Amino acid sequence: AQSVTQPDIHITVSEGASLELRCNYSYGATPYLFWYVQSPGQGLQLLLKYFSGDTLVQGIKGFEAEFKRSQSSFNLRKPSVHWSDAAEYFCAVGNYGQNFVFGPGTRLSVLP
Amino acid sequence: DTAVSQTPKYLVTQMGNDKSIKCEQNLGHDTMYWYKQDSKKFLKIMFSYNNKELIINETVPNRFSPKSPDKAHLNLHINSLELGDSAVYFCASSVNSGSNSYEQYFGPGTRLTVT
Repeated sequence: AQSVTQPDIHITVSEGASLELRCNYSYGATPYLFWYVQSPGQGLQLLLKYFSGDTLVQGIKGFEAEFKRSQSSFNLRKPSVHWSDAAEYFCAVGNYGQNFVFGPGTRLSVLP
Repeated sequence: DTAVSQTPKYLVTQMGNDKSIKCEQNLGHDTMYWYKQDSKKFLKIMFSYNNKELIINETVPNRFSPKSPDKAHLNLHINSLELGDSAVYFCASSVNSGSNSYEQYFGPGTRLTVT
């Protein structure tokens, strides 16, 4: 069965520090991978996606993610976090014609 | 222009009532979805629907039913509301046919509180 794990429930970083959010997946075929961000009281916004090709993908707001097939991972990174990045982050896996499976989310807090 | 919109944003109602949440997308997408987000932020797919097929998550009670008057709308009807139905409900849409792009676009959510 398809599944997504995000090992960190809550991460706190200082503003300006680097960030890495972990995502591991279990999927029977080549997955499509996504990262979404949810600000408090808001819907989900797509940060970036991986379908094929270059395993390092760039997204909005200065985020990037790297697909590592051997590790079944798709970790999200940002070199310098801003206070406005505080939010809930969701990793998701899916494929054409199939529903998404979302991870449980990682809540990011940013210290001034 | 809002891509995926939902109404209402907040809905407070009593147990046993029947309510509906509306969703509209102006992206020309062919597939729409309903998700439930519980108090722990866990997102769970409830339905996916295109003009050909309705896929129901087997864990969803039959008190919940999606209704699509046209391709741009997918409304969620809930009968005999229960306390456990309290959650945030998200509508989403995507292109699922003839496209190499598969991301889902989400609405702002409807916070349902059952008292």
